[in-house]
This record gives sequence, C-alpha cells and structure tokens, in this order.
Amino acid sequence: GAVVSQHPSWVICKSGTSVKIECRSLDFQATTMFWYRQFPKQSLMLMATSNEGSKATYEQGVEKDKFLINHASLTLSTLTVTSAHPEDSSFYICSARLPYSYNEQFFGPGTRLTVL
Amino acid sequence: AQKITQTQPGMFVQEKEAVTLDCTYDTSDPSYGLFWYKQPSSGEMIFLIYQGSYDQQNATEGRYSLNFQKARKSANLVISASQLGDSAMYFCAMSRGGTASKLTFGTGTRLQVTL
Repeated sequence: GAVVSQHPSWVICKSGTSVKIECRSLDFQATTMFWYRQFPKQSLMLMATSNEGSKATYEQGVEKDKFLINHASLTLSTLTVTSAHPEDSSFYICSARLPYSYNEQFFGPGTRLTVL
Repeated sequence: AQKITQTQPGMFVQEKEAVTLDCTYDTSDPSYGLFWYKQPSSGEMIFLIYQGSYDQQNATEGRYSLNFQKARKSANLVISASQLGDSAMYFCAMSRGGTASKLTFGTGTRLQVTL
C-alpha cells in the first residue's frame, strides 16, 4: 500500500522558536495532502488542506500566519509552526490522497511537538 | 455542517468475541463517505473500512464489517473474533462526497481486548 512518512517523529523546542514538519508520500504522487492536529485524548481536527502548486486552504479558526504550509512538490508538504508556544504542543498528523483514489487517505505516523 | 458522534468512550471485549462500536452521523449532503480508522498507542492512523452513501451493501474487510443504516444515520463497526492486537482507539470519520477528501472525525472509542 501507499506509504506516507513524517519527519521528525518528535520534537521539543523552546517557546518562540519555529518548527518545520515534513510530510512525504514515498511511493506515489499526492496533489492533495491534509494536516491534522490531535490534542491528548482527543480526536483529530483538520487544520488545512495542502494543494501542490497553490496556496493551502485553512479550516476556520486556524491561523494561517502561524501554521505555514508549503506543498512545493507532488511528494512533499511542510508545516511550519511559527513562534511556537506551549499551547501549540500537540500531535500533528498528515495524510495524503492518491490522485485517483476513491475512498482512502494514507496517514503519516505523526509528529509529537512539545513546546517548553 | 457535518458531525460524527461516538457515544462509547471505552469498550471491553473478550478475545475471540465480536464487538460493535457505535457511530452516528449528521449531514445534509446527499453524497458522503464513512470511514473507520484504528489508532494504536504508537499514533499512526490505520484505515480499516469504507462505506459510500450510495452503496447498497454493507462494506466488509476481513474481520471488519460496517453496519450501515442510512435511515438511522448510523455506521457501526463490527469486529469479529477479536484479537489482543485489536486493542486501540477507533475513530469513525466522514467525508463530503464519496471520495476521501476532508475528514471529520468522531471523538473515538478505546477498545480493550481481554483474555
């Protein structure tokens, strides 16, 4: 099956710094990728849809200037958390859809971000 | 707006028994997709099964089956012959249209399989 990787798997940073998380589709090209956030013991919440070659579309309530998304190629999308604060600590998961897939998203293993 | 409701925060089942995880949904879209994902403690989301709103038959994938009752807006997951490795969080999700586009997730059910 299709594989999606994320890097890093976990990161600890100081408050005020920026953190970049990469999402790669390893064996397929993904024109669309999705970024989710999951707080402890909660469900996944969609943050934004990443479209290759165009601007990301953000869900209501998600600050686009704080969560910068770049989808520069068909196999890579990046999420940059700018000026991170402790409340940004969360589990960030990306997913990718095959271009002609009817019913399946492939999820990455997630990145656990801890902001001190 | 779409909404997914999972009313069981936790469930226990004995090994080799069957278990049903409940999921109800609300949408005004005529076309939608329903998904179940498994999330082990390691965190990755594992796709289990899919049901399209226009599918006439209930979806099945190995030990997983989806009990789709459109009039009641329910999409319960049935796991047969439970195994210890089935212990995990289970999320029901919905997409607009039939394809795997933006997903709205429920709050999840933690399943614990016991000996």
